[in-house]
Amino acid sequence: KAGVTQTPRYLIKTRGQQVTLSCSPISGHRSVSWYQQTPGQGLQFLFEYFSETQRNKGNFPGRFSGRQFSNSRSEMNVSTLELGDSALYLCASSQQVPGNTEAFFGQGTRLTVV
Amino acid sequence: QKEVEQNSGPLSVPEGAIASLNCTYSDRGSQSFFWYRQYSGKSPELIMSIYSNGDKEDGRFTAQLNKASQYVSLLIRDSQPSDSATYLCAFYSGAGSYQLTFGKGTKLSVIP
Repeated sequence: KAGVTQTPRYLIKTRGQQVTLSCSPISGHRSVSWYQQTPGQGLQFLFEYFSETQRNKGNFPGRFSGRQFSNSRSEMNVSTLELGDSALYLCASSQQVPGNTEAFFGQGTRLTVV
Repeated sequence: QKEVEQNSGPLSVPEGAIASLNCTYSDRGSQSFFWYRQYSGKSPELIMSIYSNGDKEDGRFTAQLNKASQYVSLLIRDSQPSDSATYLCAFYSGAGSYQLTFGKGTKLSVIP
């Protein structure tokens, strides 16, 4: 069974640009969550999608957005990039059904803003 | 605010010893608890989940949950150098929450 796949693995962008990251969940998982990981702040929740609906959003500015498609694949977009957006962006998928809420992470996308 | 506190580490143990990692959480509505292992430069890997009070064992790993004390721990028996990593505890709060809240992690070093 394939795991969570994130693309691309690495990105270098310039301040002010925008970026789109992609996540394909484990087959059968309908919940996709996004997290930002930095050395100072640790893992911070961005948002969660289930069946194309955003159910939770973390405390990030509106420059961070996401969506989920009918096949459960998800994308997140960051507009007007800032140096502080440099981080490891992680996607996790889960079945999110009672008794089974385990979340599995992809390999992440390392974003560097210069 | 939902928070998770982990002992800061780094924690060093000799090979073959028991490593004990601890985590306290502030949200009494928390229902699901997880331990992740993260090697340097890699993504978090789920190693244990626990939903009810008591112990849960899986191979060399034992997770312990005490909801009354708002405390969850992870014991690693017969520690190996390959266990050297950062261990993150995480939880969902009560019904209707779909976000994992993570601790900052404890760095474990197993000395050969």
